[in-house]
Amino acid sequence: EAQVTQNPRYLITVTGKKLTVTCSQNMNHEYMSWYRQDPGLGLRQIYYSMNVEVTDKGDVPEGYKVSRKEKRNFPLILESPSPNQTSLYFCASSLIGGVPGETQYFGPGTRLLVL
Amino acid sequence: DAKTTQPTSMDCAEGRAANLPCNHSTISGNEYVYWYRQIHSQGPQYIIHGLKNNETNEMASLIITEDRKSSTLILPHATLRDTAVYYCIVLRGAGSYQLTFGKGTKLSVIP
Repeated sequence: EAQVTQNPRYLITVTGKKLTVTCSQNMNHEYMSWYRQDPGLGLRQIYYSMNVEVTDKGDVPEGYKVSRKEKRNFPLILESPSPNQTSLYFCASSLIGGVPGETQYFGPGTRLLVL
Repeated sequence: DAKTTQPTSMDCAEGRAANLPCNHSTISGNEYVYWYRQIHSQGPQYIIHGLKNNETNEMASLIITEDRKSSTLILPHATLRDTAVYYCIVLRGAGSYQLTFGKGTKLSVIP
């Protein structure tokens, strides 16, 4: 089944404790992206990747890192989480990225609470 | 980037057509209109997209006005499972594919 998977789905952590949220897709997509969703603010892009070893900042990259060493994986790293990073996170992928008419496929989400 | 304006919420009776409007008066000529929906904090789901012409697929129809400044998503026979937040999005400029979701329209399908 074609899908985007994220792990963990739920995470409670404390301020300053490094964490990684994994994202994997099995559709051989080149484009992958991370979003966060907060009440009243909609969905905002954190980072995106057009291909392996190619990443760029989205609208709200502060406090986050990403890497794209393999095509299928795009982990989101919080080196020193803070309470304002408490949010619902989504990973997404699309075949190429930047092609008009293309669609993005989203993962199920990771709900993060930073105490 | 073209911004979109949608009503905050709408109700629709089960079995009736749900018509969700979206204004995008600053849309550029090469920008597409996309619709996604999100059911209760699940990952957003693609519905349909269009450029100039009206479009239809198994989920919905998209009607785009001739001046492209507004569009309407139509769910022909709404069911309870269509209760969700619907997002109208205009694709950002060429070279990247950064979806920006606004607040969307909360559609409640009522039995």
